[in-house]
Amino acid sequence: SQTIHQWPATLVQPVGSPLSLECTVEGTSNPNLYWYRQAAGRGLQLLFYSVGIGQISSEVPQNLSASRPQDRQFILSSKKLLLSDSGFYLCAWNGAAAGNTIYFGEGSWLTVV
Amino acid sequence: AQTVTQSQPEMSVQEAETVTLSCTYDTSESDYYLFWYKQPPSRQMILVIRQEAYKQQNATENRFSVNFQKAAKSFSLKISDSQLGDAAMYFCAYQPGGEKLTFGTGTRLTIIP
Repeated sequence: SQTIHQWPATLVQPVGSPLSLECTVEGTSNPNLYWYRQAAGRGLQLLFYSVGIGQISSEVPQNLSASRPQDRQFILSSKKLLLSDSGFYLCAWNGAAAGNTIYFGEGSWLTVV
Repeated sequence: AQTVTQSQPEMSVQEAETVTLSCTYDTSESDYYLFWYKQPPSRQMILVIRQEAYKQQNATENRFSVNFQKAAKSFSLKISDSQLGDAAMYFCAYQPGGEKLTFGTGTRLTIIP
């Protein structure tokens, strides 16, 4: 069966510091991968999605970037965090193995102080 | 652009009763998927139910069922025999083909013991 993991679960970072959130999917190949952000009390906003290694599409211009160095690895990064980057970040995947249903990781809480 | 609207920010229901959460969407596509996701206090997004637009039969998963009205672009979720564990945020989501999800803003469901 397929599983998705992301880490760290919780992160407190000062303004101006870098960020790296990692996500891996197991049990499938060539998944579509997504990063969503959920600000406090709001819905989910798609940040990035990837249909293959090195292929990244950005939905919203922002202070963040994404990379996909391996087929089942998706990384969300920032060189210098802003206060507005605080929120709950969710990695997700879908693909033929899941019947196109999107499944989510456990999420990562980022607080920028 | 596709949009998903959940007009009920909050709903409450007595334990063991039935509640219906509303969702409407806007699209010009004929082939798409609709989902309801549940987000409990743990914040993980959990798939509740999925509906393919080409299927006329409404999807059902145990106590959860949908009323899919394609012409009206309506996709409501009915929860029967509500349980305390059903308390959560519920998000309606739209997906064209196998592409990225667009979410509604969510409905917070409270179960009254």
